[in-house]
Amino acid sequence: DIQMTQSPSSLSASVGDRVIITCRASQNIATYLNWYQQKAGRAPKLLIYAASSLQSGVPSRFSGSGSGTEFTLTITSLQPEDFASYYCQQSFTPSSGGGHTTSFGGGTRVEIK
Amino acid sequence: QVHLVESGGGLVKPGGSLRLSCAASGFAFNEYYMTWIRQAPGKGLEWVSYISSSSSIIYYADSVKSRFTISRDNAKNSLYLQMNSLRADDTAVYYCGRDFGDVVPAAIDHWGQGTLVTVSS
Repeated sequence: DIQMTQSPSSLSASVGDRVIITCRASQNIATYLNWYQQKAGRAPKLLIYAASSLQSGVPSRFSGSGSGTEFTLTITSLQPEDFASYYCQQSFTPSSGGGHTTSFGGGTRVEIK
Repeated sequence: QVHLVESGGGLVKPGGSLRLSCAASGFAFNEYYMTWIRQAPGKGLEWVSYISSSSSIIYYADSVKSRFTISRDNAKNSLYLQMNSLRADDTAVYYCGRDFGDVVPAAIDHWGQGTLVTVSS
């Protein structure tokens, strides 16, 4: 199974800060990597899919990059509504068969400094 | 407007069973992969199961394989999760989600509000 490791697990930042969250995969997943935002008591929301594609309606201050095993989510100029938890998810399907599973990173909590 | 509404959660004793439902509206339900994701209290997200649009392809996480069964009724725009032999570590909010992948799952672009399952004696 593919393991996803996010860092940091939490961070404190101020409004206007640039925030970078990293996600590492235990094996090459090309660009099959998604990012979600989850606010307290709410369902997750898709932000970025296929490593760098912005989901419709998501502000352009969110961006994703990376391929292979290392990925980043960047929030430029953090806004009050961005304080939340963020999760990466791999959606890689091995060409060798064996089915498709998915897995999430452990999450990064972005708190107000 | 895509809308997913889960139901069927509640308190159940260890070893018991529960069936979750997810009512879908606002999109062509029979054209999408659907999925169940769960989140234990204070913990991260854990994928549970996927089902393809025609029910021909089904995947489970190892943690629920042989205990949980995913199914769908495209005529009723509904997704289900039959959960048997429940354990305390199955306690979680269960979300249903729509995946926009075509041949294989890709990303979950719509989520329900979740339903809480508590397994306790």
